[in-house]
Amino acid sequence: DTAVSQTPKYLVTQMGNDKSIKCEQNLGHDTMYWYKQDSKKFLKIMFSYNNKELIINETVPNRFSPKSPDKAHLNLHINSLELGDSAVYFCASSQGRMIRQAKETQYFGPGTRLLVL
Amino acid sequence: AQTVTQSQPEMSVQEAETVTLSCTYDTSESNYYLFWYKQPPSRQMILVIRQEAYKQQNATENRFSVNFQKAAKSFSLKISDSQLGDTAMYFCAFMKRYGGATNKLIFGTGTLLAVQP
Repeated sequence: DTAVSQTPKYLVTQMGNDKSIKCEQNLGHDTMYWYKQDSKKFLKIMFSYNNKELIINETVPNRFSPKSPDKAHLNLHINSLELGDSAVYFCASSQGRMIRQAKETQYFGPGTRLLVL
Repeated sequence: AQTVTQSQPEMSVQEAETVTLSCTYDTSESNYYLFWYKQPPSRQMILVIRQEAYKQQNATENRFSVNFQKAAKSFSLKISDSQLGDTAMYFCAFMKRYGGATNKLIFGTGTLLAVQP
């Protein structure tokens, strides 16, 4: 059983398009995250949600809009895709019913490789 | 702000030998966690080992152990009896303790480890 899953695994699209990446976790966790891994393999947090509430919003262009329909799902929608958005996007989750109780260990999904042409 | 530095972009080790990956970090926090994550060619981010800064005892997980030097802000990973399956990119990461869902992993730039047969 996959703990944290992402769809799609690969996404190739043209500049200017709008695309979404979906993430689901079946661990019963309350906190979910999006990280971006660039072409040099550097990983950086983008967003975190706790029980559908946005907690972390790093300096990310507002073309990126996360949405959490329920605590098991966190989707990432990207408008007007640019070449620089090409990266691997990782979803992660951790335990914690309340904001300050989120546990430290984060479990990652398999990543979505986005290529913008 | 916290920073994590991995000064070895690439390393190589013979199968069955021991290798140590270096990591240093900078923080003014006294309570935090340190992690090593492994990213094989499959791209999946896999937690290797975790260390709580308030614990003096070094963490171990089977063939993986750490040398945690809090005063020196050093957190190296030792892999004993290296196996071909250990070939991967290894990321050192820092996280403040407490803060719950505001927690974010701060990653180093990674060390690419190649295990040679």
